[in-house]
Amino acid sequence: SAVISQKPSRDICQRGTSLTIQCQVDSQVTMMFWYRQQPGQSLTLIATANQGSEATYESGFVIDKFPISRPNLTFSTLTVSNMSPEDSSIYLCSVGFPKGGTDTQYFGPGTRLTVL
Amino acid sequence: SQQGEEDPQALSIQEGENATMNCSYKTSINNLQWYRQNSGRGLVHLILIRSNEREKHSGRLRVTLDTSKKSSSLLITASRAADTASYFCATDGGGGADGLTFGKGTHLIIQP
Repeated sequence: SAVISQKPSRDICQRGTSLTIQCQVDSQVTMMFWYRQQPGQSLTLIATANQGSEATYESGFVIDKFPISRPNLTFSTLTVSNMSPEDSSIYLCSVGFPKGGTDTQYFGPGTRLTVL
Repeated sequence: SQQGEEDPQALSIQEGENATMNCSYKTSINNLQWYRQNSGRGLVHLILIRSNEREKHSGRLRVTLDTSKKSSSLLITASRAADTASYFCATDGGGGADGLTFGKGTHLIIQP
């Protein structure tokens, strides 16, 4: 398994500002992912954070709005840019292991974002 | 994209009873995973079942998978108050290389 931490755990932000969320893993992992969970909803995949290359975004999510960095195999950031109240959600990172190892994905504790 | 759909959306039972939740998905999968989420916190991984498996057990949990019907079920036996949570199924393309597609979830309430 992996121990995953996220910072901040929660934040309240003003409309039009940006917030960067950090995700730290206690071991090197190949795959890292970012998800959004809107209030009362399930999780939706935002993007796959690729080490050494641009993130791969899912339909409906764009790099200008959710820029992602992945400088090494244990760390990634997600920025929520030019925020609006509709961005109020829990943002979670997860890690997966390459084929041949466990296929289980482990999740961080999440960042609860409220945009006023 | 493939998506799991849980049934029921909400379930309330008495402590000690068994709870069964179902999940359906639309396309072929390699794995199906079940997660628990307490009060909007992070997800706890419960169990993974591969497409070539039909049943799997872990403690009080029993998961079944029917790939012909594209469905899975999660059974929690002898429920406890601490089992109160939302439960999600999630599917992927396998190998840990794909992000997961989540179902809508079942909110389980265990009445003391």
